[in-house]
Amino acid sequence: GAGVSQSPSNKVTEKGKDVELRCDPISGHTALYWYRQSLGQGLEFLIYFQGNSAPDKSGLPSDRFSAERTGGSVSTLTIQRTQQEDSAVYLCASSLELGNQETQYFGPGTRLLVL
Amino acid sequence: KQEVTQIPAALSVPEGENLVLNCSFTDSAIYNLQWFRQDPGKGLTSLLLIQSSQREQTSGRLNASLDKSSGRSTLYIAASQPGDSATYLCAVSTGGYNKLIFGAGTRLAVHP
Repeated sequence: GAGVSQSPSNKVTEKGKDVELRCDPISGHTALYWYRQSLGQGLEFLIYFQGNSAPDKSGLPSDRFSAERTGGSVSTLTIQRTQQEDSAVYLCASSLELGNQETQYFGPGTRLLVL
Repeated sequence: KQEVTQIPAALSVPEGENLVLNCSFTDSAIYNLQWFRQDPGKGLTSLLLIQSSQREQTSGRLNASLDKSSGRSTLYIAASQPGDSATYLCAVSTGGYNKLIFGAGTRLAVHP
């Protein structure tokens, strides 16, 4: 079956603009995760969803970042008033259930460049 | 605060060699440890997941061990092939919801 998909694959934007990144998890997967991979910070956790709720938002870098998930499926990560330090690859992952025995399946990522 | 370190940062070996990648973590209170592979411009592919109660996992030419008390894991790749060239990432789960803390990775190049 289809894996995790993300769109767009690449996004170039100007500083100060808002961007939306989309993640389509594997069908039937209840848990969804967002990570960010940047040159200076490596791969870092941002937020996770169980169904449509996000119990832990502590990884979001600032209040310019928000995320939502609807219908227990598609998730959108929104960055408002983008800054150059937001440039990174944003990765989404999903797993069948929420739990430490579950494998996370990653999408190809969205490469964001803020000029 | 949990920190994950991977050594070496980069490795270049001839085809056919057996090799070991190392991962260490500072807090032994983990739920699991996972090894991933990342190819350039692509997402991560899960290779092995070791639960905290387990000592090792094997898949094909890959074997990963976990010593939770000493905060170490190793990924052993037997008979390396050029197709194994990629970045290998180690991650530990620190919460009940499988939040992963990643190391910086080991960039592996296997040349013919």
